This record gives sequence, C-alpha cells and structure tokens, in this order.
Amino acid sequence: LAKTTQPISMDSYEGQEVNITCSHNNIATNDYITWYQQFPSQGPRFIIQGYKTKVTNEVASLFIPADRKSSTLSLPRVSLSDTAVYYCLVGALMFSGGYNKLIFGAGTRLAVHP
Amino acid sequence: DADVTQTPRNRITKTGKRIMLECSQTKGHDRMYWYRQDPGLGLRLIYYSFDVKDINKGEISDGYSVSRQAQAKFSLSLESAIPNQTALYFCATSDSGGVWTGELFFGEGSRLTVL
Repeated sequence: LAKTTQPISMDSYEGQEVNITCSHNNIATNDYITWYQQFPSQGPRFIIQGYKTKVTNEVASLFIPADRKSSTLSLPRVSLSDTAVYYCLVGALMFSGGYNKLIFGAGTRLAVHP
Repeated sequence: DADVTQTPRNRITKTGKRIMLECSQTKGHDRMYWYRQDPGLGLRLIYYSFDVKDINKGEISDGYSVSRQAQAKFSLSLESAIPNQTALYFCATSDSGGVWTGELFFGEGSRLTVL
C-alpha cells in the first residue's frame, strides 16, 4: 500500500480557498486517490476520489498531476464548518475477488478562523 | 436512522473485563470493518470482513476478536480489556461491486475507556 504524507495542520480564514497537498511517491498503477473529512466525534466522510487530472464535485476539487506522485484537495471559499481533519488515502482499484483495505494516516487538521 | 449503527456509544469498564462493541448496517454492503482511533494517530484497521464467512486481520488485531453474525452485523470483542485499548472505535462498511468506489461508510463511533 502506498504511503501518504500530508501536512499535520493548516490554518485559513473564512472565504479563502484552501489547498491541501498529499504526497504518495510510490503510488501503484491501479491505485486511486481518495479524500475523507472527519469532524470531532464523528466518523470520516468520503469527499472525493480521483485517478488522474482533475475531479470536481459539489464539495471540492481534486488535482492530480501526470506523474500521480502527489494530489491536491482544493476547498473553495471555506467556512467555519469546514474545520475538520482531512485524510488522503491511496488504494488499489479492486474487482470482485480482491480487497480494498484502506490505511488512514494522521491526516491534516484544518482550522478555519473568522 | 443511521445507516451504520454502533452500540454502545460510550462505555467505561475496568481492566480485565470482556467488552463487546456491536455494529449493524442497513446499507446492504458485504464488506465491514473495525477501526480504532487514538489522538494524533488517525485511524488504524483492526479487522475486516468481506462476507459472512470471511474474516481478516488488520494492522492491530492483537487483543481483539470479531464475529460476523450476519451480513448486516459485525461485532468487535475485547476478551480482557486493558487501559491502552482506551480509544474511539469506528465500524465502517463498503460495497463490493465490480468497480471499487473507494467509499467507506462510517458509524458514529464507540468511545471506550478502560480504567
């Protein structure tokens, strides 16, 4: 399983765009990149997933360069409610008969200030 | 009602006691997981199960056991609890479709304190 490295913490202010970068230098060909968000005393929640280039949904964007050795989660115009821990995970695309064990690191603790 | 339900939500027990944490899901997923979370360490996988007859150890299975009683139920047991098992425990599920979406669905957590 590819190891991921992301900043321990980040600070931002309401209305700003926040970019959290994750390094995964030994990502494998069939690995996908997935981001989760966790609020205090709650289970993590899936945000976005991608394989290459750019993926956008109603919550965030995910930018993945051609070499796929890193990825950047972009949160547009954050609010106080975006204060949470954000986890970057890398895991294999598995068809039936395989497995999709995911390993969570310590994540990035994002604090959004007024 | 939550799709993934954990009981109890909070439990305080003493060293040496047997503890069971239960998880039930209404999502119809085949795959279920137990994670443990300690402050500053993210989540660590304890056990996972891909169907009723399949049980697999995760990163930190020592001191824990699991039972998959049905597709919808996956319980975690601490046969003899010790203080360093004090943590927040999460159950999760995922689909087993032909293409993995990467999405795990988590319960609300069970906070266990071992004195």
